[in-house]
Order: sequence, then C-alpha cells, then structure tokens
Amino acid sequence: LAKTTQPVSMDSYEGQEVNITCSHNNIATNDYITWYQQFPSQGPRFIIQGYKTKVTNEVASLFIPADRKSSTLSLPRVSLSDTAVYYCLADNAGNMLTFGGGTRLMVKP
Amino acid sequence: AAGVIQSPRHLIKEKRETATLKCYPIPRHDTVYWYQQGPGQDPQFLISFYEKMQSDKGSIPDRFSAQQFSDYHSELNMSSLELGDSALYFCASSFGRGYEQYFGPGTRLTVT
Repeated sequence: LAKTTQPVSMDSYEGQEVNITCSHNNIATNDYITWYQQFPSQGPRFIIQGYKTKVTNEVASLFIPADRKSSTLSLPRVSLSDTAVYYCLADNAGNMLTFGGGTRLMVKP
Repeated sequence: AAGVIQSPRHLIKEKRETATLKCYPIPRHDTVYWYQQGPGQDPQFLISFYEKMQSDKGSIPDRFSAQQFSDYHSELNMSSLELGDSALYFCASSFGRGYEQYFGPGTRLTVT
C-alpha cells in the first residue's frame, strides 16, 4: 500500500483549471492511482483511475509520468459545485480503499 | 440509476446500547464494503464481503460484526456502543472485487 501525499488545501476561482498533484514514491507495480471526490456528509465518489500516461473522462484528466511516483488530477473549468475534498489513492484497484489526507478544494466566485 | 441504499440515515443511541446498520447494494453488485468516518477525519475501511463471504478486514472493533445475506444486502451490528463510535458509516458496493466502489449516502450514528 503506497503512502500518498497531497496538498492539504487549494483555492481556485470559477472557470479556472485546477491541477492537484499527488506524490506516491513507493507505489507498487500492481497499484493503480484512483481519485475520489467527497462533499460534506456524503459518501466519496469515484472520479477517475489510471495506471500510467494519461486518462480522460467527462469530468477530469489524470496525468501519470513514466516513473509513476506522482500523478496530477486536472479539473477543467471548475465551478462552485466542485468545492470538495479530493482523495488520491495508490493501491490495488478497488478492494479496501485507504483514504488519507485529501485536498480540500475551495472554488470561489 | 439505482444507488446504494443505507438505512437508517440517522440513528441516536446511548452508551452501551446496540445498533444495526443496513446496506442495500446496487443491483447485481456482489461486493459490499463498510467505512467509518469520524468528525473531521478521513473514511476508514472496516470490513468487506464478496459473494457473502468476508473478504477483507480493516480497523473494525471486536464489538462490531457484519455479514452479507443471500440477497447481497449487508448489516453492520455494533454492540456496547461508545461515545467514540459516533461517526458517519458508509457502505459501498462494487461488481466484483477490485472494481470501482459506489458509496451510499451514509448513516450518521450519534452515541450519547
């Protein structure tokens, strides 16, 4: 189980692109990188998952360099409703998720 | 689309009482996970079941037990409740182990 490190908090403004970087220096070969979003008093919600290079879906992009020791979640054109805590996980896909030290994103008008 | 259903949504109990939380996974999902999130904390994995068998165990106290039934719903039984058990309890489900987990709305347990 790779330990992840990400910023405690970030501020942004509506319409901007937000990039949240996560460090996972001891990631294992069979670990995937997964990002979850959590609003207050709600369950976490899956955003995106990747193993290497770049993955894009309708809400975000995930960039993973060749050494896989870090990853960057990119949220294009954020809105107020994107204010949430974002968790980076680096472990075996699914199974027991280990959440630790997410990034609290505040989007301002 | 159908989501994970948890009941009750709110529960107030006194110390030393028991509580039972229920989770109904998304149809055709065979794997259920339980997480506990204390105030201001990150979600912590408690236990999971795959095809009605316990598959992984996390930081679940001995006072807690859980099972998954033949219809795949799961129940988390909590006994001898303590003040520190006050938290949000989330259930998640997935189609098979190792796949994206879908979380329910949670049960807020308050122990007084």
